[in-house]
Amino acid sequence: GAVVSQHPSRVICKSGTSVKIECRSLDFQATTMFWYRQFPKQSLMLMATSNEGSKATYEQGVEKDKFLINHASLTLSTLTVTSAHPEDSSFYICSARPNTPEQYFGPGTRLTVT
Amino acid sequence: QKEVEQNSGPLSVPEGAIASLNCTYSDRVSQSFFWYRQYSGKSPELIMSIYSNGDKEDGRFTAQLNKASQYVSLLIRDSQPSDSATYLCAVSRSNFGNEKLTFGTGTRLTIIP
Repeated sequence: GAVVSQHPSRVICKSGTSVKIECRSLDFQATTMFWYRQFPKQSLMLMATSNEGSKATYEQGVEKDKFLINHASLTLSTLTVTSAHPEDSSFYICSARPNTPEQYFGPGTRLTVT
Repeated sequence: QKEVEQNSGPLSVPEGAIASLNCTYSDRVSQSFFWYRQYSGKSPELIMSIYSNGDKEDGRFTAQLNKASQYVSLLIRDSQPSDSATYLCAVSRSNFGNEKLTFGTGTRLTIIP
C-alpha cells in the first residue's frame, strides 16, 4: 500500500502557542489529503479536505482560522493549530489517496497542550 | 439515523474462530466500501476494500457487500489475538477525486486466547 508519514509523532506545547504538523505522501502524489482528529475512545472526525494549490474545505464546526491548512505541493500538506488550548489536545491524523479509491493514513500526531 | 452504523461491541471471539463484523450505510449512491483496523493509540490501517456486490477474499479476511440491502461485512477466519482491535467501516460516494470517507464509530473486537 501507499505510505504516508507525519511529523512530529508527538508534541507538547504551551497554551497560546502554535503547532505545525506535516503530512507527506512518500511514494505517490496526492492532490487531496484529509485531516482528522480523534479524541480518546471516540471515532475519527474529519476536520478538513486539503487540496493542492487551493483552499482547504473545512467540515462544519471546524474553525478555519484556528486550524490552518496549507497544501503547497503534491506530497505535502501542513496543519497548523494556532493559539492552541488544552481542549485542542488530541490525536491528529492525516490521510491521502493515490490515484485509487483507497485512502491511506499517516501514523498520527499526538498533541498535548499544557 | 447515522450515515454508517456499526455495532460498537465489544465483540469477543475465541482464538481460531470466525469473527463477523457488520456495517450498514444509509446513502444509496455509495460506491466504495472499506474496512480499517485500528489498534489502540495507533492510526487506522486499511485491510480491505470492496466495490461490487459479492465477496472479496484476502488471506484470512473476506469482505461481503450487498448494495441492495446497504450492508457490508467483514469476516476474519482463524482469528488470532493480534486481530484484537477496533474495526472501522468506511463508505465513499465516489471512487475517485476528493470525495471524503464517512466512517462508522467502529466495532471493538477482542480475540480470547
